[in-house]
Amino acid sequence: AQRVTQPEKLLSVFKGAPVELKCNYSYSGSPELFWYVQYSRQRLQLLLRHISRESIKGFTADLNKGETSFHLKKPFAQEEDSAMYYCALIEPGGFKTIFGAGTRLFVKA
Amino acid sequence: SAVISQKPSRDICQRGTSLTIQCQVDSQVTMMFWYRQQPGQSLTLIATANQGSEATYESGFVIDKFPISRPNLTFSTLTVSNMSPEDSSIYLCSVFMAELDDGLGSYEQYFGPGTRLTVT
Repeated sequence: AQRVTQPEKLLSVFKGAPVELKCNYSYSGSPELFWYVQYSRQRLQLLLRHISRESIKGFTADLNKGETSFHLKKPFAQEEDSAMYYCALIEPGGFKTIFGAGTRLFVKA
Repeated sequence: SAVISQKPSRDICQRGTSLTIQCQVDSQVTMMFWYRQQPGQSLTLIATANQGSEATYESGFVIDKFPISRPNLTFSTLTVSNMSPEDSSIYLCSVFMAELDDGLGSYEQYFGPGTRLTVT
């Protein structure tokens, strides 16, 4: 069955420290992988997707098909990065999004 | 891009009653999606609302409990019927919009602000 696993419910780091939010997926094929972010009192929004291979707000994520992982990384965390982060996958050509349980990132001053 | 609004933003309802949630999009879209986010849990797709046809429900969700209307290409409603405390959740509306300028033929998913429902 398709599944997205985010093992950490809460991740707390100091400002300036590197951060890595883990995501593993279970899917027999080549899904599209995404990271969504929800800042306090804001709606859920797309942060980045694996096919565009871009860095958004200093965050990057590399799809590792061998490990079926799509970890989100940032070398130097900022306080404004504090938010809820969701990893998600979609079947190619489809519109059904499967979300992970989410990781709350707290960046301390 | 797409801007999605939902009404109401929150409500407190008594068990056994029903609540209809409205979703309005500023662009015409073929499919609109309804999600549920129970406390402390992730988003779960309830159903896909297609204009001009019956909604498609995911496993564990049925039309009698969550009837959906889709009268036009910019609007949809989700009704939570015969509510119980287990229905206390945030309900979100979502659409996909084509990203025409990224050269990848990709879509971006947009979400409404959510409707926070508490059933007492």
